[in-house]
Amino acid sequence: DVKVTQSSRYLVKRTGEKVFLECVQDMDHENMFWYRQDPGLGLRLIYFSYDVKMKEKGDIPEGYSVSREKKERFSLILESASTNQTSMYLCASRTSGSHEQYFGPGTRLTVT
Amino acid sequence: AQTVTQSQPEMSVQEAETVTLSCTYDTSESDYYLFWYKQPPSRQMILVIRQEAYKQQNATENRFSVNFQKAAKSFSLKISDSQLGDAAMYFCAYRSAGGATNKLIFGTGTLLAVQP
Repeated sequence: DVKVTQSSRYLVKRTGEKVFLECVQDMDHENMFWYRQDPGLGLRLIYFSYDVKMKEKGDIPEGYSVSREKKERFSLILESASTNQTSMYLCASRTSGSHEQYFGPGTRLTVT
Repeated sequence: AQTVTQSQPEMSVQEAETVTLSCTYDTSESDYYLFWYKQPPSRQMILVIRQEAYKQQNATENRFSVNFQKAAKSFSLKISDSQLGDAAMYFCAYRSAGGATNKLIFGTGTLLAVQP
């Protein structure tokens, strides 16, 4: 079974803090994704990576950065958390040539 | 740019009945993929069904089937014999078949309640 894990299910941070969200997949997938999920807006792509050290901006990259130093790990970084970044964050991975994207369980981040 | 629209924020169905969730999309591409994902209260997104645009035959997975109307850009999901475990948020999604972009474009979701 493909497994995508995220470092935390729930996270509470203060405004201005630097926040790291970690995602790890165990199936050697080339492609990894970070989404943000908000009620009424569905899932919106923040960043994705198609190889180690490669990254591309998604639809809403502002206020976020990413890091992919190893194939299995894709980190989302909030340099200075703001209250409008309170949301559910979902990580996903997919192997090239496959249609199925596998999702992690999500991290519900609250910024106060 | 491609867009995906789910016009039903919430739906309800009686157990054992059939329900249809609507999805429309906008694209100028001829080759693409369409998906339905399910997100139960546990939050783990699961792929329910996939349709390739070049295939005329509607995809079916057990109790789940789609009605794919390419000309109308419509992609509805039918759930037959609904079960309590079908209660979840359902997302319709689009992905281009070509190009360097691998991303999925999601609709806003439909929350399905199943009444016992």
